[in-house]
Amino acid sequence: QAVVTQEPSLTVSPGGTVTLTCGSSTGAVTSGHYPYWFQQKPGQAPRTLISDTRNKYSWTPARFSGSLLGGKAALTLSGAQPEDEAEYYCLLSYSDARWVFGGGTKLTVL
Amino acid sequence: QVQLVQSGAEVKKPGASVKVSCKASGYTFTGYYMHWVRQAPGQGLEWMGWINPSSGGTNYAQKFQGRVTMTRDTSISTAYMELSRLRSDDTAVYYCARESKDVWGKGATVTVSS
Repeated sequence: QAVVTQEPSLTVSPGGTVTLTCGSSTGAVTSGHYPYWFQQKPGQAPRTLISDTRNKYSWTPARFSGSLLGGKAALTLSGAQPEDEAEYYCLLSYSDARWVFGGGTKLTVL
Repeated sequence: QVQLVQSGAEVKKPGASVKVSCKASGYTFTGYYMHWVRQAPGQGLEWMGWINPSSGGTNYAQKFQGRVTMTRDTSISTAYMELSRLRSDDTAVYYCARESKDVWGKGATVTVSS
């Protein structure tokens, strides 16, 4: 089964920019993996931020954006806010509607 | 509004089974697959499988095959996930999530302890 990899932890300064990435053990991540990004804060359910590589929801702050970068899915946060400190998970879809989550990136805003 | 309401916390002994429910409202229950995801304490998200509420068809992650059963009752728009032969490492929060990934239940905590 595929393994999805993320940076275990990243730190960004308030107002700064950071990019989180999501790779697949099977090769390059493409739009066909329908990459999703979720934000999770302690004690809460995951909240979906980005669908299908780059699509935002009505509740997604404008400072978050999704893309494909160097064979990986990427989540870029531009203008980090203290409330963005959280765990971020990517999700890739494989054949037969199977989901595989990345291990998560703990983002610190400091 | 669209929401998934899950059953409450459960405490089970090793070897027992647990059945978690997920009641959908605000949309056509049979129109979206329902996925189950779990999260052990301090760990990441782990996909368990899905059920097609329309047909009842299922697809389970290899890790859980033989121990998990996903069912549904379309008359009350509710999906169920039953996990058997519980072990201590099954202690986790169990989430249901709609196929579109935009709607999640709040999670049901299952604690396995002797």
